[in-house]
Amino acid sequence: GENVEQHPSTLSVQEGDSAVIKCTYSDSASNYFPWYKQELGKRPQLIIDIRSNVGEKKDQRIAVTLNKTAKHFSLHITETQPEDSAVYFCAAFYLDNTDKLIFGTGTRLQVFP
Amino acid sequence: IAGITQAPTSQILAAGRRMTLRCTQDMRHNAMYWYRQDLGLGLRLIHYSNTAGTTGKGEVPDGYSVSRANTDDFPLTLASAVPSQTSVYFCASSDVYGQWSLDSLSGNTIYFGEGSWLTVV
Repeated sequence: GENVEQHPSTLSVQEGDSAVIKCTYSDSASNYFPWYKQELGKRPQLIIDIRSNVGEKKDQRIAVTLNKTAKHFSLHITETQPEDSAVYFCAAFYLDNTDKLIFGTGTRLQVFP
Repeated sequence: IAGITQAPTSQILAAGRRMTLRCTQDMRHNAMYWYRQDLGLGLRLIHYSNTAGTTGKGEVPDGYSVSRANTDDFPLTLASAVPSQTSVYFCASSDVYGQWSLDSLSGNTIYFGEGSWLTVV
């Protein structure tokens, strides 16, 4: 069935280090993969997305890679800062008769100064 | 521009009571969604509407109903609340529903409201 698995569930890094969060999806027809950042008590906000016709997208310190063959995509944050601390959600768009966005279970990232 | 407004922000509700969570957007988005967020389970889709006058079931629709009488409003109703419906509820909207175009520059980004914290006791 429709499923998005996200790992790890928690991630602690030192300021300046890199952080990587990985997600896998089950529907090979999925073509859209957004990443959301949610700070404590706030709403999820889109930080970057990628479509299935590209393998990598970068926006300053964040990048997303997509491996369609393996059906997994990853979020990379370089030169992490304390303000990067938040919960990050990946999602995959499922093309079935309902066309819906399925979210992963989230990764709590803590960046220690 | 307010974006998406949800009400109430938080509510404590007795089990068995009826409750409607309100959602209004001023972006003229065609598609609207209701998600619930529970610790360890991420965001799960309850119901959606791809345009005014139509609604559909998401991943966890049982115990909830929605209506979409116009473009701006998408209320979520709990007919008879149960403790398992204690959660944070997010309303969201996007310009169009589904079928993300590989050529689209803007994409069909989903924008979330601030959330409604509901506790059923």
